[in-house]
Amino acid sequence: KAGVTQTPRYLIKTRGQQVTLSCSPISGHRSVSWYQQTPGQGLQFLFEYFSETQRNKGNFPGRFSGRQFSNSRSEMNVSTLELGDSALYLCASSQIPGTNNSPLHFGNGTRLTVT
Amino acid sequence: GESVGLHLPTLSVQEGDNSIINCAYSNSASDYFIWYKQESGKGPQFIIDIRSNMDKRQGQRVTVLLNKTVKHLSLQIAATQPGDSAVYFCAETSNFGNEKLTFGTGTRLTIIP
Repeated sequence: KAGVTQTPRYLIKTRGQQVTLSCSPISGHRSVSWYQQTPGQGLQFLFEYFSETQRNKGNFPGRFSGRQFSNSRSEMNVSTLELGDSALYLCASSQIPGTNNSPLHFGNGTRLTVT
Repeated sequence: GESVGLHLPTLSVQEGDNSIINCAYSNSASDYFIWYKQESGKGPQFIIDIRSNMDKRQGQRVTVLLNKTVKHLSLQIAATQPGDSAVYFCAETSNFGNEKLTFGTGTRLTIIP
């Protein structure tokens, strides 16, 4: 079974631009979560989607948004990019939240560099 | 605010020895804990998890111990191998099934051949 797939792997953007990252969860997984990883702040939760609905949201500004499609694939968008948005963005999926043996499985991330 | 922290940022272990990675958490409502391994250039890889109604859980070469009294979590890796070299993160959530995990800062484990 294929793992969580994130595209693109690397991205370079300029301040003020916007970016869209894509995530395909493991087949059969319906929950998708997004995390930001930086050397200074570590791994921080952005948001989680289940059945196309945002279930949880972390403490990030409104410039960060996401959505989930009917096939469980997800995208996250960052508008008006700032230098501090440079990070590894990780997507994770799980089967159905709240069930046994349904831990988060992560993709290898999208490395975003803002110049 | 609530946080999950690690006692040691780095740990070096001789190949074949056992290693223990520790993690302290502060949220007394935490009820689900996970250990992840992250290798360079990759995302975190699930190792093992434990719910708060247990104090020990074993996997293949790994054991997680949970002490709720002192809010402490540990990961034991038996007979370490070079492939065990990575950064290890503990994570917790206060609502089982809540995918909003709080991660620790990570411990870099280096296996010495």
